[in-house]
Amino acid sequence: DADVTQTPRNRITKTGKRIMLECSQTKGHDRMYWYRQDPGLGLRLIYYSFDVKDINKGEISDGYSVSRQAQAKFSLSLESAIPNQTALYFCATSMGGTDTQYFGPGTRLTVL
Amino acid sequence: GQQLNQSPQSMFIQEGEDVSMNCTSSSIFNTWLWYKQEPGEGPVLLIALYKAGELTSNGRLTAQFGITRKDSFLNISASIPSDVGIYFCAGRESGGSNYKLTFGKGTLLTVNP
Repeated sequence: DADVTQTPRNRITKTGKRIMLECSQTKGHDRMYWYRQDPGLGLRLIYYSFDVKDINKGEISDGYSVSRQAQAKFSLSLESAIPNQTALYFCATSMGGTDTQYFGPGTRLTVL
Repeated sequence: GQQLNQSPQSMFIQEGEDVSMNCTSSSIFNTWLWYKQEPGEGPVLLIALYKAGELTSNGRLTAQFGITRKDSFLNISASIPSDVGIYFCAGRESGGSNYKLTFGKGTLLTVNP
């Protein structure tokens, strides 16, 4: 079984809709991250969480919110989706004190 | 913010050839990571480097942490079709928090059988 799972894997939605992307991990890591990937722009950090009570904005947090429901679960919400949020979204995890991040399989989100 | 320059952007090679790619930065890094991403999947960690000069292998892959701490290299020997994908470098800048990785934009590798 995959250590980091994301649901859904693909989603098509309309402008203005609320969308939630979910991430679960069985690696026992305390830190979790959300990134988006766009062609030519690489991976950009949206939010990160060091533990259940610690949530921090990344470099592109506007239009997004997150919830860390448990150490193993970190969800990303788009309150009112817009077309330029069409991208690949990746969840990642790491153990505190280490640099190596492990990525989930991604969610391809299309906002029409 | 800090940018990583990864080159080449893309490579088209024949099966059996060796591949080299690199990543450079304008500042010193404490950690270098190399990932591979296949279509429809997330980046998978290939090799992690933590010391200047470190040379680490993973099968046919070898990566090096540059002596200046401003660059890293990835080599793939005797390429095979399943090596196809996008290879990303990532690193943590010296003095930076150990949550923040900086990513290169990737090298797209195509292997012709």
